[in-house]
Amino acid sequence: DAKTTQPTSMDCAEGRAANLPCNHSTISGNEYVYWYRQIHSQGPQYIIHGLKNNETNEMASLIITEDRKSSTLILPHATLRDTAVYYCIVRESGNNRKLIWGLGTSLAVNP
Amino acid sequence: DAGVIQSPRHEVTEMGQEVTLRCKPISGHDYLFWYRQTMMRGLELLIYFNNNVPIDDSGMPEDRFSAKMPNASFSTLKIQPSEPRDSAVYFCASSRLAGITYNEQFFGPGTRLTVL
Repeated sequence: DAKTTQPTSMDCAEGRAANLPCNHSTISGNEYVYWYRQIHSQGPQYIIHGLKNNETNEMASLIITEDRKSSTLILPHATLRDTAVYYCIVRESGNNRKLIWGLGTSLAVNP
Repeated sequence: DAGVIQSPRHEVTEMGQEVTLRCKPISGHDYLFWYRQTMMRGLELLIYFNNNVPIDDSGMPEDRFSAKMPNASFSTLKIQPSEPRDSAVYFCASSRLAGITYNEQFFGPGTRLTVL
């Protein structure tokens, strides 16, 4: 079973920031948080990951709470092309490469 | 690089027939994953390989499913005999080992399987 909880759907206006929450209250100390997205009819695409510090890359920012029980993915200036299903995933560190996927958040960016 | 290549992109078959899905991972990647995606169950990991060796096949639904990786550039997922409930999109993904932190998985475009 997925170790994360996300809202089923969200809306965002084009050009505004999209903030996608994720709860992972049972996360353990060595588990990373990963975000992927899946645009309709395509394979999932990696966005970002983190352990305890906030992370930023060219696609998004990841804010992880101090207790690590929740996180927020931020798309700073959402575009219509960001309309997708966003998955928050917790995976064990080390050699385990297995990801357990939930149903994600369907983000609709509106003009 | 062309990315992960899957074939066929669409497959329609009748119940009881054998189905073979194919995947070519990104050159140099050590890991290969097979996933199945349905509306009801979302994305499920079926099996993954490391250096052509199956590591975890706990997600393979039953004996009708089998996967092989004869070399570093090719893998197959076979369903025999196929059933209507196998209808889904099957994704192949690959990644490479580069230290202890996670390495992103690169997904192929998927194969949409319909079993009538």
